[in-house]
Amino acid sequence: AQSVTQPDIHITVSEGASLELRCNYSYGATPYLFWYVQSPGQGLQLLLKYFSGDTLVQGIKGFEAEFKRSQSSFNLRKPSVHWSDAAEYFCAVGGGFYFGSGTKLNVKP
Amino acid sequence: DAEITQSPRHKITETGRQVTLACHQTWNHNNMFWYRQDLGHGLRLIHYSYGVQDTNKGEVSDGYSVSRSNTEDLPLTLESAASSQTSVYFCASSTGFSGDTQYFGPGTRLTVL
Repeated sequence: AQSVTQPDIHITVSEGASLELRCNYSYGATPYLFWYVQSPGQGLQLLLKYFSGDTLVQGIKGFEAEFKRSQSSFNLRKPSVHWSDAAEYFCAVGGGFYFGSGTKLNVKP
Repeated sequence: DAEITQSPRHKITETGRQVTLACHQTWNHNNMFWYRQDLGHGLRLIHYSYGVQDTNKGEVSDGYSVSRSNTEDLPLTLESAASSQTSVYFCASSTGFSGDTQYFGPGTRLTVL
């Protein structure tokens, strides 16, 4: 069965520190993979997506993600976190059918 | 600018009442989706549509219905609201390509008392 797992419910990092949010998926075919961000009281906004080709994908706001087929992972990274990155992040697979349960990011000043 | 809107933004209703949540998009997208968001569950798909007159059940469709009479609108109806349907509801749209970005509305917070 298809599914998406985000193992970390909450993560707190200090401003300026690096960030990695984990995402593991289960999908029968080569997946389309997405990361979305949700600010409080808002809908979701696309950060980046992977279809094929280069496994390192660049997104908006300085985020990147790496697709690792052997590990069924699509982890989101940012080298230096800003206070405005505090939000909830969702990994998704397929064309809108499967979302992870989200990781809430807190940023310490 | 193209957009996707939802109304109402907040709704309080009573158990057993019928409720309809509106979703309107001006992207001219073929695909439209309804999700509910609950703590610890992320987004769960309720119903989706690939075009006019097409509707499909998602993971958590029991107690909900949709109809698609035009490209722009996909209203979600709760036939007989239950307390378990208290949630935040999001509508989204995308083109006909399954790998395309979804564009989300701002959400409707529904409380069933």
